[in-house]
Formats: sequence, structure tokens, C-alpha cells
Amino acid sequence: GAVVSQHPSWVICKSGTSVKIECRSLDFQATTMFWYRQFPKQSLMLMATSNEGSKATYEQGVEKDKFLINHASLTLSTLTVTSAHPEDSSFYICSAIGGSGYEQYFGPGTRLTVT
Amino acid sequence: AQSVTQPDIHITVSEGASLELRCNYSYGATPYLFWYVQSPGQGLQLLLKYFSGDTLVQGIKGFEAEFKRSQSSFNLRKPSVHWSDAAEYFCAVGGMDNNNDMRFGAGTRLTVKP
Repeated sequence: GAVVSQHPSWVICKSGTSVKIECRSLDFQATTMFWYRQFPKQSLMLMATSNEGSKATYEQGVEKDKFLINHASLTLSTLTVTSAHPEDSSFYICSAIGGSGYEQYFGPGTRLTVT
Repeated sequence: AQSVTQPDIHITVSEGASLELRCNYSYGATPYLFWYVQSPGQGLQLLLKYFSGDTLVQGIKGFEAEFKRSQSSFNLRKPSVHWSDAAEYFCAVGGMDNNNDMRFGAGTRLTVKP
């Protein structure tokens, strides 16, 4: 149980375009989802926290207009990178918490390359 | 604010040798502590976690970790390392005080020599 999927697993897009990444909890309802970013050989940095039906809370320094997060249902959160630039190339990982649990379940990650 | 420090960026051990990866945390209340492993290009796999109770926690793949409140540490150990253990290891701290969000250490890269 407690499986989180991400789609796509990797994506290449041209500079200036937008790309959407999906995060799904497959076998539980995720009251809270988190989005992380990981640069090569670095740690995970929390970008934002989203609760179903409400606006996401962004960490300091993360542009909310650039990284649009929608947590429209209890099993789906999406991250849209708008007007992507090469510096947005990174590994994006989501995680989810269900109910009153404390443990985050992580997705397999999405590698974004902006050319 | 919560934070996690992994003092060792890179550790090399011989196959069959014992391993200890260090993790120190800063947190205002009782922390929830985690160790994850990440292979190149892959997501995170949970090795073990500590929420409460017994301070020595057993995890998967023969790993264990000990929570020491007095030292604010949660070091990961394995008595005999296998070549397949080579990966990046992340310690993380979280808790209900912060909407359950999690902070990760910088990671320790483990190389296993044959």
C-alpha cells in the first residue's frame, strides 16, 4: 500500500514552453502533498506544500507564478512549470501524506530537461 | 526551525566492513526521523523511521539507526556492507509542528570497494 506515482518520469521541453507533472496517490487519499526539487548531486529542497482544495504554501524563494500547483482532488496534485528555462531543469519529486498519518510516501520523481 | 546535518559528504568502505552514517538534527519538539536511500536517477526508498518508543530502530536491507536525544543524533548503521548498498543516503526530520513537512540533510554518498 501507500504508492505514489508521477507522470511523466522524464520530459524534455523547449525553453519558453510549459510542462505539467502529475503526482497521484494510488491506494490512499492524500490530504497533503509536497513538491521537492533536487539538483544533481544535491539534496531535496521543499518547494511547496499543498492541501486538497486550498492554495499551495510555497517555500521562501520559490516563485508561485512560475511553479503552479493544483491539488484538485484527494489523489492528484499537479505541478506546472510555466515558461520553462534551462535553469528549471531538475529532478522533481512529490510526496503525499494520508489521513492523520505522519509519514510521507514519495513518488519516483520526474526528470525535467529544458533545452 | 528544523534542520538536518550530515557531516560526511562521501564515505568509502570495503565490502563486508561495517558502516555508520552520521546525522544530527535540530528540532524544537520531538522529531520524526527518517533515513532514505536513493540510487542514481531514482526516487527515494525509505530505510527506516523513528516516531517514538524504542530508540534503536530496525529497517530494511539490514540497516538500523539509533535515536540519541542527548546528542540530537540519528546515525545509520549496517554491520556488513554489500556492493549493492552503494548509493546516496539522506537523513530527514519532520513533525506535526510544521504541517508535517520534511527537511533533508545534504546527503552522504556511499562508495563500496570490492
